[in-house]
Amino acid sequence: ETGVTQTPRHLVMGMTNKKSLKCEQHLGHNAMYWYKQSAKKPLELMFVYSLEERVENNSVPSRFSPECPNSSHLFLHLHTLQPEDSALYLCASSQVGTGGNDEQYFGPGTRLTVT
Amino acid sequence: GDSVTQMEGPVTLSEEAFLTINCTYTATGYPSLFWYVQYPGEGLQLLLKATKADDKGSNKGFEATYRKETTSFHLEKGSVQVSDSAVYFCALSDPGYFNKFYFGSGTKLNVKP
Repeated sequence: ETGVTQTPRHLVMGMTNKKSLKCEQHLGHNAMYWYKQSAKKPLELMFVYSLEERVENNSVPSRFSPECPNSSHLFLHLHTLQPEDSALYLCASSQVGTGGNDEQYFGPGTRLTVT
Repeated sequence: GDSVTQMEGPVTLSEEAFLTINCTYTATGYPSLFWYVQYPGEGLQLLLKATKADDKGSNKGFEATYRKETTSFHLEKGSVQVSDSAVYFCALSDPGYFNKFYFGSGTKLNVKP
């Protein structure tokens, strides 16, 4: 595997379910990000982890719970979601503090549908 | 705070036409600037970047120049192809804050044969 991978690619869940999204980066980066992409809305940054520590939480509802067990893996735990949470969830990684190579690399996303 | 504004779409062009997608930014520091492209059903892919004023980023026939005096980073391509149909995002990074990115709202490009 190369780059940033995300599983599953598609997920349909009911409002009472609990599920998790997984992201793995194979780039040796030290920061990882969760974004939400909804139709006709700008990309929304949800969480940032740098050196496995959460450094940003953009007023995301508590029904979304991130976890970063190591620098290569990032999870987004989902429970009691609402239909308006249906969106494409994108994971990204980057190398912080290198003074130049600051681009973010994105995974293909998980298309989530809440019924 | 930092922000990015890009032209609304969709932009519809015929194959081999010239493309410009406007992007302007507001930043307090000295950000890097990026263009990302998103094809249907996929994540965002880095198209090109520029790290300082007057730098020109280029890739796959696309170009953009970092203009500090006009705070702009317009994307151009001399001759578009049907395969260029996608959504294009302009972005800036705040390197002093965990590489936090600020994205524009995206511009959808449709290229007709």
